[in-house]
Amino acid sequence: AQSVSQHNHHVILSEAASLELGCNYSYGGTVNLFWYVQYPGQHLQLLLKYFSGDPLVKGIKGFEAEFIKSKFSFNLRKPSVQWSDTAEYFCAVRNNAGNMLTFGGGTRLMVKP
Amino acid sequence: EAQVTQNPRYLITVTGKKLTVTCSQNMNHEYMSWYRQDPGLGLRQIYYSMNVEVTDKGDVPEGYKVSRKEKRNFPLILESPSPNQTSLYFCASSTQGRDTEAFFGQGTRLTVV
Repeated sequence: AQSVSQHNHHVILSEAASLELGCNYSYGGTVNLFWYVQYPGQHLQLLLKYFSGDPLVKGIKGFEAEFIKSKFSFNLRKPSVQWSDTAEYFCAVRNNAGNMLTFGGGTRLMVKP
Repeated sequence: EAQVTQNPRYLITVTGKKLTVTCSQNMNHEYMSWYRQDPGLGLRQIYYSMNVEVTDKGDVPEGYKVSRKEKRNFPLILESPSPNQTSLYFCASSTQGRDTEAFFGQGTRLTVV
């Protein structure tokens, strides 16, 4: 069975600080990895995804993530956060059949102005 | 506008009173699924459907039913709700494929007393 772990449950940063959110997955097949963001009171939106090719993936709003196969990791990064990045972030893995999208427990990010 | 629409957005009900949460998508997606979101647990898949009349259990199906009679609709049915089903529910849809983005509804906050 596939699983996803996000080790940071809550992160508090000041504006302009750099961000890195950890994500580790467990899945025996070819990985298809996603990061979603949920702004307060809203639904989930896709930030970025990886399924093949360049392991460094760039997404919207200046976010990027690096797939490191040997570490089973897909950490999310942003060089300089803004107050508007305050949200909950979810890492997810989809199986090869495409029918199971498994989410991590989420990381709640608060950016102080 | 491409969207996934859930109704109702908020619902308070009593134990044992059957309820249905509707989900409709206008993107002609084959794949639809239901998740529940609980603090610290992320999103857990309840049921999914690969196409009309094709449904299957996710990770936490107990106490829920679904049906997929039409491609655009995927209602979630709680025959006899219990307090442990108090949660935030999301419907999602996508095209087939392992690298496709899932589009989420706005969520339904259900409280069972």
